[in-house]
Amino acid sequence: LAKTTQPISMDSYEGQEVNITCSHNNIATNDYITWYQQFPSQGPRFIIQGYKTKVTNEVASLFIPADRKSSTLSLPRVSLSDTAVYYCLVAPSNAGNMLTFGGGTRLMVKP
Amino acid sequence: NAGVMQNPRHLVRRRGQEARLRCSPMKGHSHVYWYRQLPEEGLKFMVYLQKENIIDESGMPKERFSAEFPKEGPSILRIQQVVRGDSAAYFCASSGLAGGDTQYFGPGTRLTVL
Repeated sequence: LAKTTQPISMDSYEGQEVNITCSHNNIATNDYITWYQQFPSQGPRFIIQGYKTKVTNEVASLFIPADRKSSTLSLPRVSLSDTAVYYCLVAPSNAGNMLTFGGGTRLMVKP
Repeated sequence: NAGVMQNPRHLVRRRGQEARLRCSPMKGHSHVYWYRQLPEEGLKFMVYLQKENIIDESGMPKERFSAEFPKEGPSILRIQQVVRGDSAAYFCASSGLAGGDTQYFGPGTRLTVL
């Protein structure tokens, strides 16, 4: 399974756009990139998933360059409630879905 | 559409007792995964089950831990003779398909061993 590297922590202010980049140099052809959000004492919540180029939903956008060795989660106009840990995961589509969580990025949104 | 349900949310056991954690997957999902999370760490995969079958238990400790997903009823993660090191949050996730489908997580069971 491809290893991911992301910043340990980030600070932002309310209303700003936040971009969290994840490196996955060893991503394989059939790997998908998935981001989860986790609040304290809760289970991870699925945010977005993509394979290449750009994916957007009502919560976030995911940018994946052509070489797929990195990806960027973009959160538009964050609020205090976006303070959480964000995990980038890379997994093949047919691996029995064993997800490997790294340390994640701890995002702190300040007023 | 009810999400993944886990109970109890909090469980306190004394050393040597048994802990039983339950997970009901999302409606229509037949794949269940258990993860363990220690404080300030990411989740660690334990076991992947389908109805009546253990598909991958590579993350499960060899002793004291077992899991099942019967034909009827919730999936159960059982920890026998608990020790203090078993204190953690245990999360269950479910998905609808084995290949590439999104895993949805429950709220977790926080186990404390005294």
